Amino acid sequence: GAGVSQSPRYKVAKRGQDVALRCDPISGHVSLFWYQQALGQGPEFLTYFQNEAQLDKSGLPSDRFFAERPEGSVSTLKIQRTQQEDSAVYLCASSLIAPTEGAFFGQGTRLTVV
Amino acid sequence: SQQGEEDPQALSIQEGENATMNCSYKTSINNLQWYRQNSGRGLVHLILIRSNEREKHSGRLRVTLDTSKKSSSLLITASRAADTASYFCATDRGSYIPTFGRGTSLIVHP
Repeated sequence: GAGVSQSPRYKVAKRGQDVALRCDPISGHVSLFWYQQALGQGPEFLTYFQNEAQLDKSGLPSDRFFAERPEGSVSTLKIQRTQQEDSAVYLCASSLIAPTEGAFFGQGTRLTVV
Repeated sequence: SQQGEEDPQALSIQEGENATMNCSYKTSINNLQWYRQNSGRGLVHLILIRSNEREKHSGRLRVTLDTSKKSSSLLITASRAADTASYFCATDRGSYIPTFGRGTSLIVHP
């Protein structure tokens, strides 16, 4: 596709439910980033992949958060036993290698935990 | 934690005026980027300035970088209503991972 695609666009989960958020990066992009954006705040870094290798997961807020990119293209962010504080927009971005000319962002998945 | 801090938090101007937003950061960087985010949408990359550059232009955008003061500014000249959005600076903290501030919310009144 022409850009970074995220699905679903909106997700409502009951507290305690597991969710999986998908990111399709731009074809050929080596680097992939996940961010969490709370209302009125800037994106907070969660994790970074270079191809299939997860090089940095320092931003994942708890062990309920897990991300994978098994074949170096599509990535999934999984949140287990969702809590209300997990409600946010989850943004995925990709870039060719290092984002020396900027990263391309998807539209995000808005997660609401009720 | 957020590396950059934009200032002001909110800015309201009339169409045709210039808008200036500032960004301060704390640690050494390789580059600094500015992004725009329209309400409910993803971020769009505007411009990147490297640590050895002092000024960069792109259309109506002008970015400056002062590494001695650890600050950057984004100037939008002759603003339009379509420029209404949130603007974020992102620094890389030396690791090439963009780290964002809280953003400046810009409203341009027609």
